[in-house]
Amino acid sequence: LAKTTQPISMDSYEGQEVNITCSHNNIATNDYITWYQQFPSQGPRFIIQGYKTKVTNEVASLFIPADRKSSTLSLPRVSLSDTAVYYCLVVSGSARQLTFGSGTQLTVLP
Amino acid sequence: DGGITQSPKYLFRKEGQNVTLSCEQNLNHDAMYWYRQDPGQGLRLIYYSQIVNDFQKGDIAEGYSVSREKKESFPLTVTSAQKNPTAFYLCASSPGRTANTEAFFGQGTRLTVV
Repeated sequence: LAKTTQPISMDSYEGQEVNITCSHNNIATNDYITWYQQFPSQGPRFIIQGYKTKVTNEVASLFIPADRKSSTLSLPRVSLSDTAVYYCLVVSGSARQLTFGSGTQLTVLP
Repeated sequence: DGGITQSPKYLFRKEGQNVTLSCEQNLNHDAMYWYRQDPGQGLRLIYYSQIVNDFQKGDIAEGYSVSREKKESFPLTVTSAQKNPTAFYLCASSPGRTANTEAFFGQGTRLTVV
């Protein structure tokens, strides 16, 4: 299973764009990169998933370079309600384990 | 209304007692998972099941047991062998057939040993 590394914490201000980068050096060919958001005392919620290049949905963008050894979650114009822990996962199609790392605590300041 | 339901939301247990946490899903998902989360920490995988009547140990299975007799149900038993069971427990499910699908989580059960 690919191990992921991401910053422990980040601070930002309302209205700014936030980029959280995750490294996954031993990602396998069939693995997908997935990001989840978790608020205190709640279960994580799926944000976005990708395999390569760029994926965009209504809440975020995910940038994956050609070598796929890292990925960047981009949150445009964050608000106070985006304060949460963000987890990067590499999901293996073969093992189907969902292994979470320590996540990144994003704090959005007024 | 589809989703994944955990019960109870709060649970108190005396030391030495076994306790079972419920997890039910009506999403017709094949895969189900149990996680433990301690304060300020990430999620750690306890057990997972990709199909009925089959399950695998995760990273911290000692002191826990599961069953998967029905597709929609994946109960977790915290046994007396678990030395430090006080934690937030999360259950999740996913379609399970491929890697490019999302997992859905319940709202969690907070277990406290008294």
